Amino acid sequence: AQSVSQHNHHVILSEAASLELGCNYSYGGTVNLFWYVQYPGQHLQLLLKYFSGDPLVKGIKGFEAEFIKSKFSFNLRKPSVQWSDTAEYFCAVIDNNDMRFGAGTRLTVKP
Amino acid sequence: NAGVTQTPKFRILKIGQSMTLQCTQDMNHNYMYWYRQDPGMGLKLIYYSVGAGITDKGEVPNGYNVSRSTTEDFPLRLELAAPSQTSVYFCASSYDRGLETQYFGPGTRLLVL
Repeated sequence: AQSVSQHNHHVILSEAASLELGCNYSYGGTVNLFWYVQYPGQHLQLLLKYFSGDPLVKGIKGFEAEFIKSKFSFNLRKPSVQWSDTAEYFCAVIDNNDMRFGAGTRLTVKP
Repeated sequence: NAGVTQTPKFRILKIGQSMTLQCTQDMNHNYMYWYRQDPGMGLKLIYYSVGAGITDKGEVPNGYNVSRSTTEDFPLRLELAAPSQTSVYFCASSYDRGLETQYFGPGTRLLVL
C-alpha cells in the first residue's frame, strides 16, 4: 500500500527564514499530490496540488512545491515565513483513487 | 455555500456508549469521507462513499459504521465507544475522488472515558 512520509515532525523558524518541508511517497506510478494546511483550531485547507504539467507548483500565501519524480518527493517551500504560517502541514498522495496522508509537520514561526 | 458542516464540535462519551457524528455538505459532491486524526499519525480514512447508497471501508473501519441515504449527508456511527476511539474526526467531500480537491469540515473532537 501507498505510504507517505513527512520526516520533520516539528520545525521551528524565525520570521523571514526560508522553509522547506519534506514529503516522500512510495508508489511508483502516476500520482496526484497535495499539501494541506491546518491552522490552530481550524480545519484542513488546500495549499496547493499537482496533477500534471509543470512540476513546480505555486499555491496560496506564497507557498510552492516541487514534484521530483525520480526522488518520489513533493517538498513544500516558502522563501520567507511569517508568524501567521504557524500551523500543521500535511502532504497527501492519491494513487488509484486511494488517498493517503502523511503524519504532518508542525511549523512554529517565532515573531 | 456552507461547505462541509459537522456536529457536534466536541463530545465526551463513556465506554460502551454509542453516538452518531453528523456530516452534511451542500456542494452536491458525489464523494464523502470520514477521517480520524491522531497526534503524529496524520489522517486515516475510516469510510468513504461514492454516492447515495454506496459506502466502502477505508484504512481503519473497525468500530464504526456509516450510511449514505442522501447526497448531502454522511453520518458516522460509533456503536460501542472505546478509549481507542478518542480522536478528532474530520468529514470531507469531493466531486470526484482521484482528481478533485477534498473539502474538509471543521472536525469533531471525541473523548471516550
